[in-house]
Amino acid sequence: EVQVVESGGGLVQPGGSLRLSCVVSGFTFSDWWVTWVRQAPGKGLEWVANINEDGSQKYYVDSVKGRFTISRDNARNSVSLQMNSLRVEDTAVYYCARGRATLVFWGQGNMVTVSS
Amino acid sequence: DIVMTQSPDSLALSLGERATINCKSSQNILYSSDNKNYLGWYQQKPGQPPKLLIHWASTRESGVPDRFSGSGSGTDFTLTISSLQAEDVAVYYCQQYYSSPVTFGGGTKVEIK
Repeated sequence: EVQVVESGGGLVQPGGSLRLSCVVSGFTFSDWWVTWVRQAPGKGLEWVANINEDGSQKYYVDSVKGRFTISRDNARNSVSLQMNSLRVEDTAVYYCARGRATLVFWGQGNMVTVSS
Repeated sequence: DIVMTQSPDSLALSLGERATINCKSSQNILYSSDNKNYLGWYQQKPGQPPKLLIHWASTRESGVPDRFSGSGSGTDFTLTISSLQAEDVAVYYCQQYYSSPVTFGGGTKVEIK
C-alpha cells in the first residue's frame, strides 16, 4: 500500500523559516518524481515545486523561487521542502504527492501558518 | 503560464441529475506528437487531499465509477457526472500538465439541491 506522510508544518512569523518533510512507502521511491502542491484556506490548488528521480532537476513556481528549496534522500524515501523568508501569502496546507504531472497518491497535507 | 478557467464556480443539482463542468485552457494542450491532451480532473472532498479521477482528458483512473467521464480537446474540456450521487459532493479541479508550471483551474463546487 502506498503511503505519503508529511510533517513539519506549524506557525511561523513572517520572514521565518520552516522545513517540511514527506516520507513515502509502498513503492520504489527512486523511480518517481515528487511534487509539492499547496492550498490556501478556502482557495484552490497551486503547484509549488517538484523534483525528479535522482534530484538533478528541480522546478519551482515563480512566487517561491529563491525562497524555497526542494531536496530528496532516496536512501530514506523522503523529500523535503525548505521554506525561507516566509510570507503571509505562503499560509496554506502543503501536500506532497507522487509524480510529476498526474498526481495519484497524495499525503493528507500539513498546515503552514505565517502570521505575526 | 497556461491559465485554466473553470465554469461554473458552483452548481447545485438533484440526485440523479447530470452535472457538467467546463474547463478552458489559455493555450492548446493537445500535444501533436502523441495526440494526447495533457489534462487531468481531480475531486476534492472537505478535509481530504485531491483525488485524481481522469487523466489524458478522458481516461478514468482505476476504481473511478463510470458515471464520471471526461471529454474535449485542444482548449475546451468537460467533466460529466452522468447521474449525481450524494458521495459526489465535492470541489472539482481541472489541471494541465502540458507545460511547466503545472496549473489548476479555480475549482467547481458541486452540491445537492
